[in-house]
Amino acid sequence: RKEVEQDPGPFNVPEGATVAFNCTYSNSASQSFFWYRQDCRKEPKLLMSVYSSGNEDGRFTAQLNRASQYISLLIRDSKLSDSATYLCVVNRRNSGGYQKVTFGTGTKLQVIP
Amino acid sequence: EAQVTQNPRYLITVTGKKLTVTCSQNMNHEYMSWYRQDPGLGLRQIYYSMNVEVTDKGDVPEGYKVSRKEKRNFPLILESPSPNQTSLYFCASGGRDARYTEAFFGQGTRLTVV
Repeated sequence: RKEVEQDPGPFNVPEGATVAFNCTYSNSASQSFFWYRQDCRKEPKLLMSVYSSGNEDGRFTAQLNRASQYISLLIRDSKLSDSATYLCVVNRRNSGGYQKVTFGTGTKLQVIP
Repeated sequence: EAQVTQNPRYLITVTGKKLTVTCSQNMNHEYMSWYRQDPGLGLRQIYYSMNVEVTDKGDVPEGYKVSRKEKRNFPLILESPSPNQTSLYFCASGGRDARYTEAFFGQGTRLTVV
C-alpha cells in the first residue's frame, strides 16, 4: 500500500462549483500535512497546511481526520484559475529523527467555463 | 527574493556522460532535497539533506549522488546517466522542523538522456 494515496481524477467541474478532494495516508506516526498546487510542467507550490482543527484560506478549506487517516481539501466557488493538480503531502520523523516527506501522486482538477 | 534556483532548466545528454544539476537557496534553510517526477508516479524523493555534510537516501537513490558542502548548495550528480533517468527534476528546501515541510521548490530541470 502506498504511504499516501490520492484519486488521480481528473475532476471536471463547472465554474462556481464546490469540489472536494481526499487523500489517505497509511502511517499513523505522520505528524504534519499539507496541500500543494502544481500547474502543468511547473514547480509545486505550497497551498496550505492542514491542522486537526481545520483551517480556511479564502475559498479553500483543509481538514484532517487522524482517526481515519485522511486529509481533505474543499474548494468553493471554483474559478478557471483553480485548474491544476493538487498534491497531498505528509511528513513524519524517520528512524534517524529526520523528517520524511511523502508526496501523493496528485489529483487533477479542470474547471470548465 | 526568497528562492530556490536550479540549473540548467533543460538538458539533453548522452548515456554515460557525467552531469551535475545545481541547486541553490538563499533562505538559510537546513533541509534540502531532490525529487524526480514521472507521469503516473508523482514526485519521488531521490536524496535529502538535513544540514551541511548530512545527507540520506530517499525513495529512489540508485544512479544518483549528492553532496552538501555548504548550506546553500545541494548539487545532484549523475555519474553515468541512463535513459531511465530521463525525467523532470525538482530541488526543494525548507525549515528543519517536520511541521514546516519544503515550502520552496526550484523551477525544475527537464533532463533527457539519449
